[in-house]
Amino acid sequence: AQTVTQSQPEMSVQEAETVTLSCTYDTSENNYYLFWYKQPPSRQMILVIRQEAYKQQNATENRFSVNFQKAAKSFSLKISDSQLGDTAMYFCAFMTEYGNKLVFGAGTILRVKS
Amino acid sequence: DTGVSQDPRHKITKRGQNVTFRCDPISEHNRLYWYRQTLGQGPEFLTYFQNEAQLEKSRLLSDRFSAERPKGSFSTLEIQRTEQGDSAMYLCASSQIGDRASTEAFFGQGTRLTVV
Repeated sequence: AQTVTQSQPEMSVQEAETVTLSCTYDTSENNYYLFWYKQPPSRQMILVIRQEAYKQQNATENRFSVNFQKAAKSFSLKISDSQLGDTAMYFCAFMTEYGNKLVFGAGTILRVKS
Repeated sequence: DTGVSQDPRHKITKRGQNVTFRCDPISEHNRLYWYRQTLGQGPEFLTYFQNEAQLEKSRLLSDRFSAERPKGSFSTLEIQRTEQGDSAMYLCASSQIGDRASTEAFFGQGTRLTVV
């Protein structure tokens, strides 16, 4: 069974600064997908960024980028130029290659301060 | 609005009562998922459908829980004889499976259940 661990329950960052959220996972699969989802207060969860395990290049989406270390089973999210709207719960998630369900970490609450 | 919608948004019920939630996925999506999220935790998988077929159920889904997706469109999740431990946010998500695994699941806003 796969597990996902987020060791930072809460993080805070000043507006315009950079923050990194950590995630580690455990799996015996070789091909899989990793995701970061954002859940703003009282709003629905949305996909921030995804990474396919067979791709060595780290995914980037505008201000969001990941550091994917397959051997270490590590998948961190870097948010550059943090904005107040980035305040949310962030979940790291894993899915097998055949995509039948997401396995989530416990989440990290990120607070962006002005 | 063409996103995933869930109804009701909030439900308060007395212990022992039955409740039913509804999820309307994005119309062209053939996969539909139910997750449960308790306060301060990540969502936990409950079950998923591909079209009208229920393909996997988590061990979290006790006999008191039943889910259906009768015509491969909307889905219902029923909880019978509710217990206080059932209090949680119930999330629905949908995706479109293709030749490779569809990697983006779209989530609804959830139904928050409180059992008193």
